[in-house]
Amino acid sequence: KAGVTQTPRYLIKTRGQQVTLSCSPISGHRSVSWYQQTPGQGLQFLFEYFSETQRNKGNFPGRFSGRQFSNSRSEMNVSTLELGDSALYLCASSQKTGRGEQFFGPGTRLTVL
Amino acid sequence: GESVGLHLPTLSVQEGDNSIINCAYSNSASDYFIWYKQESGKGPQFIIDIRSNMDKRQGQRVTVLLNKTVKHLSLQIAATQPGDSAVYFCAETGYTGNQFYFGTGTSLTVIP
Repeated sequence: KAGVTQTPRYLIKTRGQQVTLSCSPISGHRSVSWYQQTPGQGLQFLFEYFSETQRNKGNFPGRFSGRQFSNSRSEMNVSTLELGDSALYLCASSQKTGRGEQFFGPGTRLTVL
Repeated sequence: GESVGLHLPTLSVQEGDNSIINCAYSNSASDYFIWYKQESGKGPQFIIDIRSNMDKRQGQRVTVLLNKTVKHLSLQIAATQPGDSAVYFCAETGYTGNQFYFGTGTSLTVIP
């Protein structure tokens, strides 16, 4: 069974631009969660989508948004990029929402110049 | 908000020794905990989980201990191997859904 895939793997943008990242979950998984990982803050929860509905949202500004499609693929968008948005963005999929194992993708490394 | 902290940012052990990685959490409502392993260039990988109605759970070469009284979690790795070298995170949630809070990680180095 294929794992979680994320595209692109690397991205360089400049301040003020916007970016869209994509995540394809494991087949059959309906929950996709997004995390931001930085050396200083570690992994921080952005949001979770389950069956095309946002289930939970972390403490990030409205510039960070996401969505999930009927095939469970998910995208996250960051508008008006800031230097501090440089990070590894990870998505994780699971069969259901709630307690249970999440499978992480390799991440998208975003650099904002 | 919640905070999940780690006692030691780095840990070095000799191959074959046992490793203990510690984690403190602050949310008394947390009821589910996971340990993850993250190797360089990869996403975190699930190791073992534990619910708050348990105080110990064992897996293959790993044991997680939960002390709810002092809000402390530990991961024990038996007979540590070079392949265990990675960053280890604890994560917790008291929410419905998959809203987890992660610690900043402990880097484990296994010395051959």
